[in-house]
Amino acid sequence: GAVVSQHPSWVICKSGTSVKIECRSLDFQATTMFWYRQFPKQSLMLMATSNEGSKATYEQGVEKDKFLINHASLTLSTLTVTSAHPEDSSFYICSVATSGYYEQYFGPGTRLTVT
Amino acid sequence: QKEVEQNSGPLSVPEGAIASLNCTYSDRGSQSFFWYRQYSGKSPELIMSIYSNGDKEDGRFTAQLNKASQYVSLLIRDSQPSDSATYLCAVNPSLISSGSARQLTFGSGTQLTVLP
Repeated sequence: GAVVSQHPSWVICKSGTSVKIECRSLDFQATTMFWYRQFPKQSLMLMATSNEGSKATYEQGVEKDKFLINHASLTLSTLTVTSAHPEDSSFYICSVATSGYYEQYFGPGTRLTVT
Repeated sequence: QKEVEQNSGPLSVPEGAIASLNCTYSDRGSQSFFWYRQYSGKSPELIMSIYSNGDKEDGRFTAQLNKASQYVSLLIRDSQPSDSATYLCAVNPSLISSGSARQLTFGSGTQLTVLP
């Protein structure tokens, strides 16, 4: 399967600042990556689908101006949380979708805490 | 109606027993089915995939698929305390058409505890 990394693994920031999270596909050229958010003891929530070279597709209810996604290459997608607030504190996970049967391989996740 | 449904649990089994995890889905056109394991505080890890009716075995894990009943299950034999985690069922909701990657629909997960 695909190997996916995320950076940073955890970040603490102050309310009102912006945070960038990187997702890298280390051994697979990923035309599509997904960004999820998971609150404690809740299931995965898909935020957006990131397509290389084009605009991301956001799920209903996800603010595209707040969660900026850039997928500039086949190995890198970034999620920027702009003007973060405490309610944005969560576990952010990216995944790479392979071709064929479309299994997804997840990065290790980034835990964001906004104070 | 949820598209992918799982019993949330918690499911507790004694060490060495068989753990049975179940999942139903609503889209009859679904073609690919996956089981992910998620330890507390970690991201999901793909442990099984199944695409055709019947059983697929990998070590202590067996995935079972019944498309007519829209049912997929995961059996864990000789359960170990290290199997204690949340298990997520995921379904690719339709046939591959354009060749572009598609989203997966995830169930809410079943929390499994294996008691030593």
